[in-house]
Amino acid sequence: AQSVTQPDIHITVSEGASLELRCNYSYGATPYLFWYVQSPGQGLQLLLKYFSGDTLVQGIKGFEAEFKRSQSSFNLRKPSVHWSDAAEYFCAARTGGGNKLTFGTGTQLKVEL
Amino acid sequence: GAVVSQHPSRVICKSGTSVKIECRSLDFQATTMFWYRQFPKKSLMLMATSNEGSKATYEQGVEKDKFLINHASLTLSTLTVTSAHPEDSSFYICSADGTSGSKTGETQYFGPGTRLLVL
Repeated sequence: AQSVTQPDIHITVSEGASLELRCNYSYGATPYLFWYVQSPGQGLQLLLKYFSGDTLVQGIKGFEAEFKRSQSSFNLRKPSVHWSDAAEYFCAARTGGGNKLTFGTGTQLKVEL
Repeated sequence: GAVVSQHPSRVICKSGTSVKIECRSLDFQATTMFWYRQFPKKSLMLMATSNEGSKATYEQGVEKDKFLINHASLTLSTLTVTSAHPEDSSFYICSADGTSGSKTGETQYFGPGTRLLVL
């Protein structure tokens, strides 16, 4: 079955420190991959996406993600975290021919000042 | 671009009443919209896929008679929670398939969500 796994439920980092949020997928073929961020009581905002091509994807708010086929991973990174980055982050995937997103369980990011 | 709105943002209703939530794509047309339910500190659960001009496709375990979905135009889908009960209290989020660059319909854009509280 198709699935998306985010191994870390909670992550705490200090402001200014680097961040990496992990995401692994299990699909028959390489899916389209997405990272979304959700602030408390809000909908989801798209940070970045990967369809094909360059495996390092740049997104909004200084985030980037790297697709690694050999590891079935699509980890999200940010070199220097800001307090406003505290939120819930969701990795999601869909097949090229389908329209349903499969979400990971989310990673709650806390930023210490 | 690619803005999705939801109305209302919050609603409180009495048990047994019905509540309608609207989802609009503001600057693009969406033949497909999706409705999700999110429980506290949980991921999103897809409830149904809404296609313009046709019946919605519900996920397994979702009561179609309780959660009525109508997608009357390319920019509007509605979710009606009928005879709401306290267990229906939740955060409901819609999304719409939008165009991203040269690819059509392959990126979902999400609304801000609707908080429903049934007393």
